[in-house]
Amino acid sequence: GAVVSQHPSWVICKSGTSVKIECRSLDFQATTMFWYRQFPKQSLMLMATSNEGSKATYEQGVEKDKFLINHASLTLSTLTVTSAHPEDSSFYICSARDGEVTQYFGPGTRLLVL
Amino acid sequence: GQNIDQPTEMTATEGAIVQINCTYQTSGFNGLFWYQQHAGEAPTFLSYNVLDGLEEKGRFSSFLSRSKGYSYLLLKELQMKDSASYLCAVKDSNYQLIWGAGTKLIIKP
Repeated sequence: GAVVSQHPSWVICKSGTSVKIECRSLDFQATTMFWYRQFPKQSLMLMATSNEGSKATYEQGVEKDKFLINHASLTLSTLTVTSAHPEDSSFYICSARDGEVTQYFGPGTRLLVL
Repeated sequence: GQNIDQPTEMTATEGAIVQINCTYQTSGFNGLFWYQQHAGEAPTFLSYNVLDGLEEKGRFSSFLSRSKGYSYLLLKELQMKDSASYLCAVKDSNYQLIWGAGTKLIIKP
């Protein structure tokens, strides 16, 4: 099946620093990638939809200047959390879609901001 | 508005069968997905239904009735490793995935 990787899987950083998370589709081309955030015991929350070569579409309430998304190629999208604060600590998960049907998820990145 | 409803939590016994229901009201319909999510991990794809009926895949089956806005995930011969959250998601007319809150399934020996 389709494989999506994420890097890093864990990151701990100081408040005020920026963190970049990479999402790669390993065995298929993904014209669309999605970034989710999930707080403990809560459902997935879509942050933004990323299309290759164009600007990401952000969900209501998600600050685009804080969560920078770049989808430079058909296999790579990056999420940069700028000036991270403790309230940004969460589980960030990307997914990639093969054509119009199924989304496949990466393993997720746990961010802890001290 | 758009809404996906599924039970918050269910308990079942190892070796038994459990059915997790999902009802939805969305603007348009372009398919329904079931994902499994173990604690602390990302979701993994289980099934996709776009036409009415039952799709069987090993111990897991998924059913869809578009006229009723209803789906269920059926898990047979339950194993302890099936303890997880099961997420129902519907793709609406804009091909956006609308997610349910998930059903936490607890398997007891």
